Amino acid sequence: DQQVKQNSPSLSVQEGRISILNCDYTNSMFDYFLWYKKYPAEGPTFLISISSIKDKNEDGRFTVFLNKSAKHLSLHIVPSQPGDSAVYFCAASGPSGTYKYIFGTGTRLKVLA
Amino acid sequence: GAGVSQSPRYKVAKRGQDVALRCDPISGHVSLFWYQQALGQGPEFLTYFQNEAQLDKSGLPSDRFFAERPEGSVSTLKIQRTQQEDSAVYLCASSDRLAGNEQFFGPGTRLTVL
Repeated sequence: DQQVKQNSPSLSVQEGRISILNCDYTNSMFDYFLWYKKYPAEGPTFLISISSIKDKNEDGRFTVFLNKSAKHLSLHIVPSQPGDSAVYFCAASGPSGTYKYIFGTGTRLKVLA
Repeated sequence: GAGVSQSPRYKVAKRGQDVALRCDPISGHVSLFWYQQALGQGPEFLTYFQNEAQLDKSGLPSDRFFAERPEGSVSTLKIQRTQQEDSAVYLCASSDRLAGNEQFFGPGTRLTVL
């Protein structure tokens, strides 16, 4: 039973345009959400996070939006750059322990030059 | 500064062999985590240490899996009598926060069981 779902396994975007990566979750008790980026042969790298008390968090080119009623979050990258090409994982944590991240299956983003 | 390091980076084991995977967390980080990432999946939580205490081992898939962190720094994940379904990338992460938010991941150890 997948509690965190990333339904798009891959996404291609032109350099300079917006990339939108989506994530859905089923457990309404999740209260903290994160995005990680992963390059081949490396571990995931923390990108941005959001607490359930917010609906938006911005850090440079990266913005995460949280829609609690829809149990949906999205990561926007503007403008997209070729170096953003990687696998992006959405993760959530909550009542079982804030440290216990539940990850989605990832979306592979390819930014075309 | 140095990040989380793991060794070996790649390990091939014959079915039934025991393996030991090492994690060196970022210096001073109190929290340490192990995850298992199967092919095409996201990382799955295995266990959590706060200093030397193993506070949560609910994700360990069987009693063949054992983790320790005896001095609150380096950690070892041991898998006894490996089976083919144990083939995965094993990721270690550390955090300077007790709650474990913003975990920093190592590069992982890719274990292949033949």
